[in-house]
Order: sequence, then structure tokens, then C-alpha cells
Amino acid sequence: NAGVTQTPKFQVLKTGQSMTLQCAQDMNHEYMSWYRQDPGMGLRLIHYSVGAGITDQGEVPNGYNVSRSTTEDFPLRLLSAAPSQTSVYFCASSWGQYNSPLHFGNGTRLTVT
Amino acid sequence: SQQGEEDPQALSIQEGENATMNCSYKTSINNLQWYRQNSGRGLVHLILIRSNEREKHSGRLRVTLDTSKKSSSLLITASRAADTASYFCGGSNYKLTFGKGTLLTVNP
Repeated sequence: NAGVTQTPKFQVLKTGQSMTLQCAQDMNHEYMSWYRQDPGMGLRLIHYSVGAGITDQGEVPNGYNVSRSTTEDFPLRLLSAAPSQTSVYFCASSWGQYNSPLHFGNGTRLTVT
Repeated sequence: SQQGEEDPQALSIQEGENATMNCSYKTSINNLQWYRQNSGRGLVHLILIRSNEREKHSGRLRVTLDTSKKSSSLLITASRAADTASYFCGGSNYKLTFGKGTLLTVNP
């Protein structure tokens, strides 16, 4: 049972480039979310989804797009990378939106130069 | 708005001692959750306490919740060097948001 899988583990981008961070879960979880973690800032919620076809914004959504075409996958897109998006990104999933613990992936470390 | 602010930011204790971390949140919640993060890894769920519960135990962990004060505490008893990690609390109504965490160091 793989759980939550994030790819790539590391990525370096130049300012203005675009890329997609992949997240897949094999637990048939309805709820998925993306966080970024920066030193001194803790984890901040970027976007989340309560099911296929449904997404919503979190605390820091600007500069990021998401879609949820299947239950398993929840990719995070950076359309035009900026140095301020240098961070560690975590994807998480859970059974439901309420009263369910989150299962986290091991993160993608992104550097934008 | 963040639904979890941990205190203290850092805590250093000796092996065998108890560690207590506190969490405050801002608005009403369905549940409060505690997670552990080892360096460079994803968060691992420790315990969830629902808004109608006041105390919950899991092994060496004890969590309390005071909804009138919008606060929670996590007690780790008989700490071990392997408990060294960052600990985060998150309050959930319909989305789970976290604070900056408490860095716990357990010295052998």
C-alpha cells in the first residue's frame, strides 16, 4: 500500500517556468489537499478538494492552480514560477472532510532561481 | 486564518522526562489533531480529539481539549530520543490548517 505519493522529490526551476507537482493516493480518499512549508511559517494550506471535480482555495492560493479529474490524483500547477514559491510542498489526503486524519506524502522540495 | 498555534516554539528535555506542548486556535472546530514531523519528512498523524471530548489517550500520549478557552495540550510521557521531532496541531472545521509547530528535542 503506497499511501500518498508525490513526484518529483526535488525540482529546480527558473523564474517564469511552469511545472506540475504530482500527487497520487491509492486509499480511495475523497479529500485531498496541498500545503507549503517554509521556515518560520509552518504549514499553509494552498488548495483542497472534497472530491473529483471539486476544488477550493486555501490560505495561500495565488500563483497555483489545481484540478481533480479523478479520485486518485490531485496535481498542483505553477503557471509562472517565482522565487517566493521556493518551498517544500506536501500533499495530503483523508477519508472525509470532517473528523478524519490526514495522510501526508513525503514532500517535493522546490527551488526557484 | 490559522487554526492552530503551538507553544512553546522549542522545547528541550532529558530522556525519561515528560513533554507538554500547547495549542491555541481561533474559531470553532469539529476536531483538533496533533501531528509529528521528523526532519525532511511528511507529517504523521498522532491523535484526533473531537470537539465534544475533553481528554484522550493513546499510548504515551495524552491530549486535552478546552473549547471554552480554544486550547489544547499534548503531553508525551517518559520521552525517548526517538520522540525528537516537530509537533503540529491543526484545528478542523471543513479544512485543516496548522501553526508553526513546536520543535521537541529529547536528549539522551
